[in-house]
Amino acid sequence: SQTIHQWPATLVQPVGSPLSLECTVEGTSNPNLYWYRQAAGRGLQLLFYSVGIGQISSEVPQNLSASRPQDRQFILSSKKLLLSDSGFYLCAWSPRGTGATYGYTFGSGTRLTVV
Amino acid sequence: AQSVTQLGSHVSVSEGALVLLRCNYSSSVPPYLFWYVQYPNQGLQLLLKYTSAATLVKGINGFEAEFKKSETSFHLTKPSAHMSDAAEYFCAVRYSSASKIIFGSGTRLSIRP
Repeated sequence: SQTIHQWPATLVQPVGSPLSLECTVEGTSNPNLYWYRQAAGRGLQLLFYSVGIGQISSEVPQNLSASRPQDRQFILSSKKLLLSDSGFYLCAWSPRGTGATYGYTFGSGTRLTVV
Repeated sequence: AQSVTQLGSHVSVSEGALVLLRCNYSSSVPPYLFWYVQYPNQGLQLLLKYTSAATLVKGINGFEAEFKKSETSFHLTKPSAHMSDAAEYFCAVRYSSASKIIFGSGTRLSIRP
């Protein structure tokens, strides 16, 4: 069966420090991968998505970047964190080319607090 | 533009009462529809989905939703609320395999003892 792993679960980082959040998927190949953010009291904001290795689409210009160095690995990064980067970050995957009836499967999330 | 609207950012019901969470989509073409649940500090979990096989869809934890094309709605219901149902619920739509899922803004469900 397919599983998605996200780590760390919680993170407290000072302003101006770098960030690296990692997401990996097991049990499938060629997944579509997504990074979402939830700010306090707000809905889901799609940050990046990827349909293949090295292929990253950005939905919102910001202080963050994403990379996909391997087929089932998706990394969210920042060179210098801002207070506004605080939030709950979620990784998700969906099977590629299998139709619109498949939803996304989400990881357990990372709570990032920038202080 | 294609979108999904959840009416009510916060719904509060008594334990044992009917739960009704509203979701409407805007499109002339019926989409595929999903309901997700998110418990505090957790990821989203799929509750149920509509894929055109049947208009009444049953999901996990006693929830169900009915697709009504004439009303462009996909409301989520549960006959009797339980304390463990307290969570955030997201309605979502998808129009094709090439398109991304569009999420609603979410509805926080609170259960009163």
